[in-house]
Amino acid sequence: QSVLTQPPSVSAAPGQKVTISCSGGSSNIGSNYVSWYQLLPGTAPKLLIYENYRRPSGIPDRFSGSKSATSATLDITGLQTGDEADYYCGTWDNSLRAHVFGPGTRLTVL
Amino acid sequence: QLQLQESGPGLVEPSETLSLTCTVSGGSITNSNLYWDWVRQPPGKEMEWLGDVRYSGGAGYNPSLRGRVTISVDTSKNQFFLRLTSVTAADTAVYYCARHQISPYFDYWGQGVLVTVSS
Repeated sequence: QSVLTQPPSVSAAPGQKVTISCSGGSSNIGSNYVSWYQLLPGTAPKLLIYENYRRPSGIPDRFSGSKSATSATLDITGLQTGDEADYYCGTWDNSLRAHVFGPGTRLTVL
Repeated sequence: QLQLQESGPGLVEPSETLSLTCTVSGGSITNSNLYWDWVRQPPGKEMEWLGDVRYSGGAGYNPSLRGRVTISVDTSKNQFFLRLTSVTAADTAVYYCARHQISPYFDYWGQGVLVTVSS
C-alpha cells in the first residue's frame, strides 16, 4: 500500500489536456521534491519532471508539473497517441526513510 | 549518453538468493555526487525502491526489506550489484537499476529484467 495516491486511470482525446494528481503527506510530498516518470511496456522508465516542475533536456513543454502542500500534479497538453503509458509520481519519505512511488496512473488517449 | 543494463538469472528458486548486475556505460560510476539504485515492480503492483550505493561502497536500504538486501559496487568494472536473500514468490518482479543525484529523482534507468521466483 503506497503512501502516495494517484487515480488508477485518466483518459482524454488527442489534442486535449489531462491532469494526473499525486497526493501524499507531510513526511513525503510536504517536505521533499516530487518527480514524475513515464513507463511504456518493455522500455526503460523515463524521467519527465524533477524537483516539482523542472523538465530534463528533451522533454517537451507539453509536460508540466506543480506542487502545493502535500499534493502534486502532472499536466499533459496536446495529447498524442504516443503518450499512452503509465505515469508514476515519486519522492522521498522522511518517516519511511525510503524513496516512494505512487501506484501509477494509466493514461488512455481516446 | 549514459546507459544502464541489468543482467542476471530470470528464474530463482524459493529460499535462494537473487543476484543481479547493473553495467554502466557511457559514464563513470565514480562520481561522488551519484547514487546507484535498484527499484523493482511486481506484476500489477507499484514500484518499490530497494536501496542505493555510492562509488565508495556506502549503501542505503529500504527498511521494508528487513535486512535481506545487499547492494555493492565494483568501480573497476563500472558495475553495481543486487543480492536479495531468502526469496519468495512475492519477490517476483521486474528489477530496474537506476541512478539518482543528491536530489531524490531517478534520471537514468535500465530497461529492467524480469525475475521469477518459482521451483
